[in-house]
Amino acid sequence: KQEVTQIPAALSVPEGENLVLNCSFTDSAIYNLQWFRQDPGKGLTSLLLIQSSQREQTSGRLNASLDKSSGRSTLYIAASQPGDSATYLCAVRTLGTDKLIFGTGTRLQVFP
Amino acid sequence: DAGVIQSPRHEVTEMGQEVTLRCKPISGHNSLFWYRQTMMRGLELLIYFNNNVPIDDSGMPEDRFSAKMPNASFSTLKIQPSEPRDSAVYFCASSWEGAGRFNEQFFGPGTRLTVL
Repeated sequence: KQEVTQIPAALSVPEGENLVLNCSFTDSAIYNLQWFRQDPGKGLTSLLLIQSSQREQTSGRLNASLDKSSGRSTLYIAASQPGDSATYLCAVRTLGTDKLIFGTGTRLQVFP
Repeated sequence: DAGVIQSPRHEVTEMGQEVTLRCKPISGHNSLFWYRQTMMRGLELLIYFNNNVPIDDSGMPEDRFSAKMPNASFSTLKIQPSEPRDSAVYFCASSWEGAGRFNEQFFGPGTRLTVL
């Protein structure tokens, strides 16, 4: 059974810092991995999707990497801003299932 | 594109009442997902449709829950009768999937359900 873990559970940093959020999963046989952000009381916004054949994806200040063999993904946020404050969720889609399994998230606060 | 549309955004009802949640997926997407989010259990997939056909409903908690997708642009999730433990945020998501490729899922704003 696929299990997804995110560390840390919460993070508070000053504006301008570069950040790394971690996601680990127990079953490396995956179709893809997706990173989302969720603002309080809102839905999920897709940030990046990495297919199993890819090593990384970039969008603006965000870079996500995937090491399938070790069951890990990292989300790198460059030059963090207060507007980046949200909960960040990773989710994996395992081979042979239709389920997107979510981690419990990292709650990020960036203060001015 | 309007994105995934869900209604209502908030629903407060009494135990035993029927609740119907609605979803309009992104035009052109052929897969639709219903999720439930709670503090205790996080995000859980309830049911997944592909080309309007239910593919995986193993996450539907009980027979009180049912979902339909009569056409490519509309789906409902019904709870009858509702119970306080059904209180949660229910999300609908859609994507395009085919030829062995699973793409990004785009989420709606959710329906916050409170059962008293």
